[in-house]
Amino acid sequence: EAGVAQSPRYKIIEKRQSVAFWCNPISGHATLYWYQQILGQGPKLLIQFQNNGVVDDSQLPKDRFSAERLKGVDSTLKIQPAKLEDSAVYLCASSSGPGQFFGPGTRLTVL
Amino acid sequence: AQRVTQPEKLLSVFKGAPVELKCNYSYSGSPELFWYVQYSRQRLQLLLRHISRESIKGFTADLNKGETSFHLKKPFAQEEDSAMYYCALSGRSGSQGNLIFGKGTKLSVKP
Repeated sequence: EAGVAQSPRYKIIEKRQSVAFWCNPISGHATLYWYQQILGQGPKLLIQFQNNGVVDDSQLPKDRFSAERLKGVDSTLKIQPAKLEDSAVYLCASSSGPGQFFGPGTRLTVL
Repeated sequence: AQRVTQPEKLLSVFKGAPVELKCNYSYSGSPELFWYVQYSRQRLQLLLRHISRESIKGFTADLNKGETSFHLKKPFAQEEDSAMYYCALSGRSGSQGNLIFGKGTKLSVKP
């Protein structure tokens, strides 16, 4: 089966600019996650969707981050405006049972 | 507070030597524990779950509730085991719940 797809793979922006990331989960997976992984740290959950509804967004900085999964399949994560501390790898994962399947991630650099 | 601690940032062993990657957790209920692995230039992938009690690529991990530990072990390390290893817990049944990751341990197996 095809894996979780993410784009872009790399993004460099200046602080205060906006950026969006896209994720296409494995077909049929109802649960989708966005994680932020800062260098030297493990991934940290930003938001979890079950189909097109939000299950957990308690760690999402809602003043600048937003995410949606309108049709219960693809998802986008947006940062507006970006800060220097947002530099990280943004991972998308999906699951339908045991084990989460991760995408390759988007490496964001904020200058 | 829910927390996963991996005390070693780097573990270096010679090929054929035993290896143990330590993981301790803090959780008030009965979590589900996982080990994820990331090989060079590859995506994060599930290695094993405590409830399946299986051995993957020669690795095993036993959940010790008394010591709140879930150490990953392999009796004879191979060079291809060199990778980043992350311990993670989920507070909800199955992996539909979000994962809390440790900071990871980089395993280097020398020839």
